[in-house]
Amino acid sequence: EAGVTQSPTHLIKTRGQQATLRCSPISGHTSVYWYQQALGLGLQFLLWYDEGEERNRGNFPPRFSGRQFPNYSSELNVNALELEDSALYLCASSLGQPQHFGDGTRLSIL
Amino acid sequence: AQSVTQPDIHITVSEGASLELRCNYSYGATPYLFWYVQSPGQGLQLLLKYFSGDTLVQGIKGFEAEFKRSQSSFNLRKPSVHWSDAAEYFCALGYEGGSQGNLIFGKGTKLSVKP
Repeated sequence: EAGVTQSPTHLIKTRGQQATLRCSPISGHTSVYWYQQALGLGLQFLLWYDEGEERNRGNFPPRFSGRQFPNYSSELNVNALELEDSALYLCASSLGQPQHFGDGTRLSIL
Repeated sequence: AQSVTQPDIHITVSEGASLELRCNYSYGATPYLFWYVQSPGQGLQLLLKYFSGDTLVQGIKGFEAEFKRSQSSFNLRKPSVHWSDAAEYFCALGYEGGSQGNLIFGKGTKLSVKP
C-alpha cells in the first residue's frame, strides 16, 4: 500500500512569492491534514479537509489556504511568502484515526 | 484547553539500556493518544495508538506505552534501545468525535543513543 506522498520535496522561494505544495493521501482515506513544523515552534495544525470541504483551520493568516480535489488529493497554497514561513510542511491522511504522515515539503524562503 | 507536555527535550541513553519517554496531557474527556517518531529529514511514523480498552498498548519496533488516567500520562517505553532508535519522538492527542480532527502535539523529545 502506497503511503502519503508529498511534492515537491524541496521548494525555494523568495519573499512575496507564492508557493503550492501537493499531497496525495493513502488510497481510501478521505481526510487530509496540513501541519507546519518550523524550527523552535513544533508541529502546528494548519488545515483539515474532508470530502472536499475545509473542516477546521489552525491559527494561521488567510494567506495560507488550500483545497481538496475529488480524488481526495490536496494542495496547500501560501501567498505573499514571508521569511518565517520557512518550515517543513507535513501532510497527513486518515479515515478517522490515526493519521498517517508523508515525508513533507521543505519550504525555504530567501 | 487541550495540551500535551513532553517534559524532556533531550535524552541520552546507552545502547541496550531501557528507555522511558514521558508524556502528559490535558483533556476533559477520554483522549485518543499517539506516539510518533521522526528521523532527520523525514515525516512522522506512527509507533502506537490508544483509543480505549487495555491501558498497555504495544506498538512497532518493540515500543509500548501505558495510559494512566489518574496521572494524565501516556509514557513510551522500550526495554532495550538500539542505535537505530535515535530520533525525535512526539506524543499527540486526538479528539473523540472528530469535530476538530487535528492532532495536538507535544514539543518532542530528542533521543540520542550512546554506543
